[in-house]
Amino acid sequence: KQEVTQIPAALSVPEGENLVLNCSFTDSAIYNLQWFRQDPGKGLTSLLLIQSSQREQTSGRLNASLDKSSGRSTLYIAASQPGDSATYLCAMRTDSWGKFQFGAGTQVVVTP
Amino acid sequence: GAGVSQSPSNKVTEKGKDVELRCDPISGHTALYWYRQSLGQGLEFLIYFQGNSAPDKSGLPSDRFSAERTGGSVSTLTIQRTQQEDSAVYLCASSWAGGSQDTQYFGPGTRLTVL
Repeated sequence: KQEVTQIPAALSVPEGENLVLNCSFTDSAIYNLQWFRQDPGKGLTSLLLIQSSQREQTSGRLNASLDKSSGRSTLYIAASQPGDSATYLCAMRTDSWGKFQFGAGTQVVVTP
Repeated sequence: GAGVSQSPSNKVTEKGKDVELRCDPISGHTALYWYRQSLGQGLEFLIYFQGNSAPDKSGLPSDRFSAERTGGSVSTLTIQRTQQEDSAVYLCASSWAGGSQDTQYFGPGTRLTVL
């Protein structure tokens, strides 16, 4: 069974610092991996989707990498802003017909 | 077009009552997922519908939980004889079937409180 781990559970950084969020998984046979953000009391918003054949995806200040051999994905957020404060979750599926397995998330606070 | 919608946004019920939660996915999305998020916890998978295939019910916590999807669109999650431990936010998501368009789009959730 795929296990998805996100460490640390919480992170606080000053504005302007780069954020590095980690997602580890036990089964390297993944189909794709998705990063989300969740604001308090809200649903999830998709940030980036990486297919298993890809090494990274970029969108604005966000960059997500995927290393299947080491069982890791990393979300980088450059030049963090207070508006980046949220919980970030990673999720993956191991085949095209299957449920997504979520990590527990990393709660990020960016202080002005 | 509209995103995923869920109703009601909040539901307060008494222990032992039945509740129905509704999800309207994005038009044309063939995959639909239900998750549960308890306070301070991650997302717990409940059930997954993909087109006309038999749903993956492996995440339903007990036989008090059931879900259906009518006409390949709207889905209803039913919880019978609710218990206090059922209190959580229930999230629905939809996506195209697989491939590069596999991004999940989430609804705002239904907050269920069982007194």
